[in-house]
Amino acid sequence: DAGVTQSPTHLIKTRGQQVTLRCSPKSGHDTVSWYQQALGQGPQFIFQYYEEEERQRGNFPDRFSGHQFPNYSSELNVNALLLGDSALYLCASSSYRGAVRNQPQHFGDGTRLSIL
Amino acid sequence: QQPVQSPQAVILREGEDAVINCSSSKALYSVHWYRQKHGEAPVFLMILLKGGEQKGHEKISASFNEKKQQSSLYLTASQLSYSGTYFCGTESNTGNQFYFGTGTSLTVIP
Repeated sequence: DAGVTQSPTHLIKTRGQQVTLRCSPKSGHDTVSWYQQALGQGPQFIFQYYEEEERQRGNFPDRFSGHQFPNYSSELNVNALLLGDSALYLCASSSYRGAVRNQPQHFGDGTRLSIL
Repeated sequence: QQPVQSPQAVILREGEDAVINCSSSKALYSVHWYRQKHGEAPVFLMILLKGGEQKGHEKISASFNEKKQQSSLYLTASQLSYSGTYFCGTESNTGNQFYFGTGTSLTVIP
């Protein structure tokens, strides 16, 4: 049973560029959440997708956008990259019908994004 | 709205016990606990819900004080494999946004 998979594992971009990160949820899961984790910090909630719609959003600018596909996989897009966007981006999947309320989140290994 | 954890760091010898605390300024619906080892993804440990329901591992226990918006994670008879950074995660009564705590680094030495 495959867990949450993310691609790519590492990515290097320059300021001003755009990036797309991808996530395939654990089998049987229908909800995907994205987190940004800076070095030495806890993960920060970016947004959550369920039924192909953004259901909840954290305190991130509109440069951060996402998409969920009919097969529940998801993409995170970041435009106009800044040096401060350098971080580990984690995807988590779950099966609680859009509510992080009573089921665990399963995390992927993340994408390490470095901005030069 | 980020929950505050204490202590920030703790070092234990194998077999010793530890308590990690998580405190929120918001009324909580649930508290999750995760452990993250260096360079790895967070791994689920425990969920505590309003009303006392718990879901988690047998060897780890936790408490949730709904009135004080506080949770504590109890690690007993620590093993080397317990080393890592522990995060609580909270969801308030008013929304589905999920907030991870400030983290507690736990190191178990022989």
